Amino acid sequence: DVKVTQSSRYLVKRTGEKVFLECVQDMDHENMFWYRQDPGLGLRLIYFSYDVKMKEKGDIPEGYSVSREKKERFSLILESASTNQTSMYLCASSFRRSGELFFGEGSRLTVL
Amino acid sequence: DQQVKQNSPSLSVQEGRISILNCDYTNSMFDYFLWYKKYPAEGPTFLISISSIKDKNEDGRFTVFLNKSAKHLSLHIVPSQPGDSAVYFCAASANSGNTPLVFGKGTRLSVIA
Repeated sequence: DVKVTQSSRYLVKRTGEKVFLECVQDMDHENMFWYRQDPGLGLRLIYFSYDVKMKEKGDIPEGYSVSREKKERFSLILESASTNQTSMYLCASSFRRSGELFFGEGSRLTVL
Repeated sequence: DQQVKQNSPSLSVQEGRISILNCDYTNSMFDYFLWYKKYPAEGPTFLISISSIKDKNEDGRFTVFLNKSAKHLSLHIVPSQPGDSAVYFCAASANSGNTPLVFGKGTRLSVIA
């Protein structure tokens, strides 16, 4: 079974703090993605990566950066957390670039 | 501009009846469509997909119908069960392309016992 593991299920941070969200997949997938889910807004793509050390901006990259140093690991970074970044963050991986996504369980971030 | 639209934010259905969730798309390049189910505090899980070469795909209680001319797809759940209560996301892609899946905003299904 494909397993996508997100390091933290629940985080509470203060405004201005730096936040790291880690994601690891064990299926040797080339492609990895970060989404955020908010009520009424659905799943919005933040960043994605089709290869190690490669990254592409999604629909809402502002305020975020990513790191892909190893194939299995894709990290989302909030340089200076703000309250409007309170959300559920979902990591996913896929075999094909436009194919079926396998999601992690999500990281619920609250910024106070 | 939203390329994948789920116009019903919520739907309530009696247990045992049919649930029909709808999805419309605008991009004529889309040729692969998926439905995901999401429970609170969990990641979405893949439910069923359909390629544009088909107009129907069935998996147990779940059937997806595709009407290419209308750029419309629907997910039918028969019979609906309380455990089906979740948010359902429609997603689409240009299968031969290099772009990620595009998701709709989701429909919250409540199956009432």
